Amino acid sequence: EIVLTQSPGTLSLSPGERATLSCRASQGVSTYLAWYQQKPGQAPRLLIYGASSRATGIPDRFSGSGSGTDFTLTISRLEPEDFAVYFCQQYGGSPVTFGQGTKVEMK
Amino acid sequence: QVHLVQSGAEVKKPGSSVKVSCKASGGTFNSTTITWVRQAPGQGLEWMGRIIPILDEASSAQKFQGRVMITADKSTNTAYMELSSLRFEDTAVYYCASPSDGVFYHGLDVWGQGTTVTVSS
Repeated sequence: EIVLTQSPGTLSLSPGERATLSCRASQGVSTYLAWYQQKPGQAPRLLIYGASSRATGIPDRFSGSGSGTDFTLTISRLEPEDFAVYFCQQYGGSPVTFGQGTKVEMK
Repeated sequence: QVHLVQSGAEVKKPGSSVKVSCKASGGTFNSTTITWVRQAPGQGLEWMGRIIPILDEASSAQKFQGRVMITADKSTNTAYMELSSLRFEDTAVYYCASPSDGVFYHGLDVWGQGTTVTVSS
């Protein structure tokens, strides 16, 4: 099973700041990597698929990069609605696995 | 646009089974995959398995093998996830999800509203 390790566990930032979230895979997954945002009481929302492609309707302040084992989600300027938990997911290996999540909280 | 609607909350006793449904509308059910993900209280996301309805082909995480059955009824555009031998640690919100364009590489952009399953004696 491919283990995804996200860092940091919590990111404390202010609106307008840049957020950089990391996801490292225990084995290479090519670009079969997605990022999801989840707010309390809601289902996850797809942000990025294929490591760097934005899903439909996702603002361009969200960007993804990486391939193989190291991936990054960047939020260029945090808006109040971006404070949430972010999960990475790999779907290049079986079973599909998720990272443990990074919480982006308001400083 | 595909829309997924799940069945309602369940309270079950340890050792029993639960069957959660996920009805798809507005899209091409037969040409997509339906994935099941669960989330225990305060925890992360856990992939349980998926089904390709047109092929009737299901797969599940090894952790759940022997306890989970994922099926689909093409006549009603409904997928099902049945979990047996329930334990307290199966208490979670169970989600179904799917790529709206049916392309697996494009990630899970459509999610059901979630079904809370509580295992309690």
